[in-house]
Amino acid sequence: EAGVVQSPRYKIIEKKQPVAFWCNPISGHNTLYWYRQNLGQGPELLIRYENEEAVDDSQLPKDRFSAERLKGVDSTLKIQPAELGDSAVYLCASSPGRLGQETQYFGPGTRLLVL
Amino acid sequence: RKEVEQDPGPFNVPEGATVAFNCTYSNSASQSFFWYRQDCRKEPKLLMSVYSSGNEDGRFTAQLNRASQYISLLIRDSKLSDSATYLCVAQWSYQKVTFGTGTKLQVIP
Repeated sequence: EAGVVQSPRYKIIEKKQPVAFWCNPISGHNTLYWYRQNLGQGPELLIRYENEEAVDDSQLPKDRFSAERLKGVDSTLKIQPAELGDSAVYLCASSPGRLGQETQYFGPGTRLLVL
Repeated sequence: RKEVEQDPGPFNVPEGATVAFNCTYSNSASQSFFWYRQDCRKEPKLLMSVYSSGNEDGRFTAQLNRASQYISLLIRDSKLSDSATYLCVAQWSYQKVTFGTGTKLQVIP
């Protein structure tokens, strides 16, 4: 079974430029998460989707970050404009979304460097 | 106060040693708990879920203490391959999830 797919794996941009990350979750997984992980820290939840609905976006900096999950399958996370402090690893995870099946499966992440 | 707190370490232990990590959580409504393992520059992967009665998986034992609001992970007979960062996770309100900052373990020959 294919795991969570993310692209690109690495991205280097200059500040004030836009950037987008893509995630394809495990087939059949209803719940999709976007996390940001800074060096030496644990993953910080940005947004969680149940199918196509964003059910928790309280930690998403909405002035510059946006996300979508059209058709409840793959998802895109966008930053516009990027700031130096956005340099981090952006992780996507998915889970079946059913009670008792809460294990999250992570993609390899996108390493973003903002210069 | 952070919702989930862990000692960042590093814990440097010799091969064969037993090592234990604790993780405290602040939300008493937390319902599900997990330990994830993260290798350097890799994504987190589930190590084990933590059940109220405690659970064991080979050399790994997880415990939950609801009264004191902490979970623990015990690793027996440490192997070099156990070197990683161990992330504690608390989950409540159906899928609302918080990760700790992780505890780094280095097993030395």
